[in-house]
Amino acid sequence: QSVLTQPPSVSAAPGQKVTISCSGSSSSIGSNYVSWYKQLPGTAPKLLIYDNNKRPSGIPDRFSGSRSGTSATLGITGLQTGDEADYYCGTWDTSLSAGVFGGGTKLTVL
Amino acid sequence: QVQLQESGPGLVKPSETLSLTCTVSGDSINLYFWSWIRQPAEKGLEWIGRIATSGSSNYNPSLKSRVSMSTDTSKNQFSLKLNSMTAADTAVYYCARDSGWSNWFDPWGQGTLVTVSS
Repeated sequence: QSVLTQPPSVSAAPGQKVTISCSGSSSSIGSNYVSWYKQLPGTAPKLLIYDNNKRPSGIPDRFSGSRSGTSATLGITGLQTGDEADYYCGTWDTSLSAGVFGGGTKLTVL
Repeated sequence: QVQLQESGPGLVKPSETLSLTCTVSGDSINLYFWSWIRQPAEKGLEWIGRIATSGSSNYNPSLKSRVSMSTDTSKNQFSLKLNSMTAADTAVYYCARDSGWSNWFDPWGQGTLVTVSS
């Protein structure tokens, strides 16, 4: 059971927009920055968003992040087939003094 | 360009100790924290712990009694030891650079599969 809760799957058509939610607690998302990762099959996760809403160099602005209270959201616009992947949220949990991840969300681009 | 590479045995017997090393190139391990993260097949990510060359470390409470981490600045490496291995520890193990207080991970190593079996 993951500390952060994500929907197991989401889907949308090419060109459309999708959002992925990540729910935590006051000691996790409510108190710390959130990051997001994209993982293609058989490969290591790749950082998409850090510090709630910042994009590393090379990540297109189709990807966005936000945080409100104890939840965070990843948004992807202009969906492409290459966006099909598993997406994970992560943060620090102050009560646990540990890093925590969501269970992951599988994005299908129909 | 920072690169990380995990190394270690792909097969460990039950009850034995796993030892993995992550070699960092393109950056000094004296900067940042350095984390280990694992992923069982078809499952999600689990943070194992992190270490800095200052000696500061944090471990996942669920694994804390079995985990130790260390750094070797002369080789620009950091290591993981996980004892009393069981089949439940079978997973792909990743090393990653950890930003520290904001706890994001970038880049990651390619990962190494560790199987626990007799």
